Amino acid sequence: AQSVTQLDSHVSVSEGTPVLLRCNYSSSYSTSLFWYVQHPNKGLQLLLKYTSAATLVKGINGFEAEFKKSETSFHLTKPSAHMSDAAEYFCVVIPSGSARQLTFGSGTQLTVLP
Amino acid sequence: NAGVTQTPKFRVLKTGQSMTLLCAQDMNHEYMYWYRQDPGMGLRLIHYSVGEGTTAKGEVPDGYNVSRLKKQNFLLGLESAAPSQTSVYFCASTSDYGYTFGSGTRLTVV
Repeated sequence: AQSVTQLDSHVSVSEGTPVLLRCNYSSSYSTSLFWYVQHPNKGLQLLLKYTSAATLVKGINGFEAEFKKSETSFHLTKPSAHMSDAAEYFCVVIPSGSARQLTFGSGTQLTVLP
Repeated sequence: NAGVTQTPKFRVLKTGQSMTLLCAQDMNHEYMYWYRQDPGMGLRLIHYSVGEGTTAKGEVPDGYNVSRLKKQNFLLGLESAAPSQTSVYFCASTSDYGYTFGSGTRLTVV
């Protein structure tokens, strides 16, 4: 069974408008959840991490994500998109009982239009 | 600077050739991982290690071998490269405080 599903492979928004990147996870997996960002031809950068301390997690560059156990969702949002936000975003989980290996979603490519 | 260093950064191989990718970390992390990244598929785990002298298979281990003879190094080997192994390879390590990724190795098999 897919442990983490990113519901949109591509999202386009206009600069200054809100961003919503959707992620659902399997409830049989760990509740350690992450969002990573990868800019073109670059490495991976951690945006934010959920570890059950608070359901609303704030990350870098104005991004935040809300953990909703009842919906098994961990959607990433930002109130106002900037051109520099154009990148690929990955929702990531750690399977329960694993050797801490990260399991990645298939990614969402965010395009920001001027 | 402390971190994860991958060598080489780029490589072109002919089908059937062999090569080794080196991942080195200087943070004394126990856990190390090799991933491959392909378009539309995210990162998939190839092999991992939970400590010096240990290795285990991940999601896509076929065609790869690994070794962790020293705690700081995790080697990924391709014995007989195939075009399907064209990909970007990332190494990562972790402690209790977070994950650190290398900058990637772009491998093309022709």
